[in-house]
Amino acid sequence: NAGVTQTPKFQVLKTGQSMTLQCAQDMNHNSMYWYRQDPGMGLRLIYYSASEGTTDKGEVPNGYNVSRLNKREFSLRLESAAPSQTSVYFCASSIRSFTANYGYTFGSGTRLTVV
Amino acid sequence: KNEVEQSPQNLTAQEGEFITINCSYSVGISALHWLQQHPGGGIVSLFMLSSGKKKHGRLIATINIQEKHSSLHITASHPRDSAVYICAVSQGGSEKLVFGKGTKLTVNP
Repeated sequence: NAGVTQTPKFQVLKTGQSMTLQCAQDMNHNSMYWYRQDPGMGLRLIYYSASEGTTDKGEVPNGYNVSRLNKREFSLRLESAAPSQTSVYFCASSIRSFTANYGYTFGSGTRLTVV
Repeated sequence: KNEVEQSPQNLTAQEGEFITINCSYSVGISALHWLQQHPGGGIVSLFMLSSGKKKHGRLIATINIQEKHSSLHITASHPRDSAVYICAVSQGGSEKLVFGKGTKLTVNP
């Protein structure tokens, strides 16, 4: 099925451990994003990539790095996890099309707990 | 002040009622999105609007660019409509989104 595939769905890390969240889309979208969702707050942008080979910081980039490996894949890396990074992470992709009914597709989310 | 404000924060309705969720924004936008998030967490795009009105099934979304306001309407609400509805906007030439905090809708049978 076409869409955004995000792995893993759940992860528990110890403080200081590292991990990479993987994201792939098969809709030929140019733009990809990593957002985090915390209770009582709207989703916030961590990093985005407007096209293959480019990445830019969003609202909350500290403690994260990203790689746009190719047009399909956009990974998010936590080098040294901290409890403040406990959150639900969503990958998304989009296409600029004002004729489309909607432009965004989201992955199913990764629930990350850092202890 | 948040750039995107939604009201109400919580809404409880009886099955069959007409539902309205409101979204106001304080910045110039290129598009406004309505999203749905069910318990269990997945996020689904419902609409992307830059002007006027869109309809899909029992869902209707409208936007008034001059007043910086959008509404999401649900006709003949059903318990399966229970979810968090999120308004988000993109600005200028960017497709990045700024999100509201969401409206939690509960429809009782």
